[in-house]
Amino acid sequence: DVKVTQSSRYLVKRTGEKVFLECVQDMDHENMFWYRQDPGLGLRLIYFSYDVKMKEKGDIPEGYSVSREKKERFSLILESASTNQTSMYLCASSPSGVAGPSYEQYFGPGTRLTVT
Amino acid sequence: SQQGEEDPQALSIQEGENATMNCSYKTSINNLQWYRQNSGRGLVHLILIRSNEREKHSGRLRVTLDTSKKSSSLLITASRAADTASYFCATSGTYKYIFGTGTRLKVLA
Repeated sequence: DVKVTQSSRYLVKRTGEKVFLECVQDMDHENMFWYRQDPGLGLRLIYFSYDVKMKEKGDIPEGYSVSREKKERFSLILESASTNQTSMYLCASSPSGVAGPSYEQYFGPGTRLTVT
Repeated sequence: SQQGEEDPQALSIQEGENATMNCSYKTSINNLQWYRQNSGRGLVHLILIRSNEREKHSGRLRVTLDTSKKSSSLLITASRAADTASYFCATSGTYKYIFGTGTRLKVLA
């Protein structure tokens, strides 16, 4: 079974702190994604990566950066956390498709981040 | 902006009844997928239907796709209390998936 793990289930940080959220997948998937989920807004894509060292902005990249130095690991970085970044963060991975994302995504359990 | 929009936003039914959720989207797609999310957890993939398919079944799940109307429906038959969750449709474009805001299903025992 594909397994996607996230470094923390719950995280509390202070405003202005640098925050690292780690995601690791064990199925050699090319594509990895970071989403945030907020009530009434559904899942919104922050960044995605389709290969090592490659990254693409999603719909809401402001205030975030990412790093993918190894195929299995995709990190989300909040350079200076703010209270409006309090949210559930979900990581996902999927195989690469010939014509775009043709396969299902596998999600981690999520990290609920609170910024105070 | 979200491409997929689920309808209804919330649904409450009795155990044993069928539950139907709808999803509308705006642009052309490669495929459409449905996911389930139990409270506070990650999403779990349920079923994928490709743009050239009209209907697909998986156990108690039936998905239809009408590309002319840019809509899909998810039917869960003979619902169980364990089906209580949020359900999301996701459409795929070039590289990324776009998720809707979800339908919250509550199945009463």
